[in-house]
Amino acid sequence: EPEVTQTPSHQVTQMGQEVILRCVPISNHLYFYWYRQILGQKVEFLVSFYNNEISEKSEIFDDQFSVERPDGSNFTLKIRSTKLEDSAMYFCASINRPSGGRETQYFGPGTRLLVL
Amino acid sequence: AQSVSQHNHHVILSEAASLELGCNYSYGGTVNLFWYVQYPGQHLQLLLKYFSGDPLVKGIKGFEAEFIKSKFSFNLRKPSVQWSDTAEYFCAVNSQIKAAGNKLTFGGGTRVLVKP
Repeated sequence: EPEVTQTPSHQVTQMGQEVILRCVPISNHLYFYWYRQILGQKVEFLVSFYNNEISEKSEIFDDQFSVERPDGSNFTLKIRSTKLEDSAMYFCASINRPSGGRETQYFGPGTRLLVL
Repeated sequence: AQSVSQHNHHVILSEAASLELGCNYSYGGTVNLFWYVQYPGQHLQLLLKYFSGDPLVKGIKGFEAEFIKSKFSFNLRKPSVQWSDTAEYFCAVNSQIKAAGNKLTFGGGTRVLVKP
C-alpha cells in the first residue's frame, strides 16, 4: 500500500537556524497538510496546500513558516528561524481529492524536531 | 471553533477485556468523525470514520464506534482487546460545511496498554 514518507525522522537544530522538513505524499494525491504535536499536547493543524498554493493556515503558521512543492513529488515545510517552542513532532498528510471532508487523510511517520 | 475531548489519557487493561474510549466534540455544524490509531513507532492510520447514515460504524481490526448526535459523542469500542492493540488512539473531526480539503481537529489522544 502506498505510504506518505517523511525525512528526516529526527532533526536537532540550534535556535535561530533554518530547518526544512521533507515529505513525499502518495503519488496521485493532490492535497497536502502539515500538522504538529508538541510533546504532551494535541495534534494541531498548521497548513493545507493545493494546486501550488496555501489553501488554509492556522494562527500557528506565522511568517516563520513556509511550504513549497518544489517538484512533482516533494512537499516541504520550512521554518526560517527556529525557536525553542518549535520543538515538536511534525506530521505530513495527503488526500487524493477533496470530498466534503470525507476523504481519509494519510499520514507520514513524522519528523521529530528538537530545537536547542 | 471545533474542539475535541478525549477524557481518558491512559487506559490499562488485560487481554480479552472490553475497551471503550470516549470522544466528545464541540461544533455548531455537521461534522465528519474519525478515529485514528498510532501503533508504537508507526504513523497515524485510520481505524474508522463516520459521515452519515447508520450511527454504528465498523472499522478495521474489530473496532467499532457509535455516533450519538444528542451527546456530541463518538465513542470507540472493541469487545475483546489483544496485546497488539497497544497504541495511542486519536479522535478527530472536520466540518462537512467547508467544500474541500478540510483540516482535522484532534483530541488529545488516549494511550492504551494491553497487558498480555
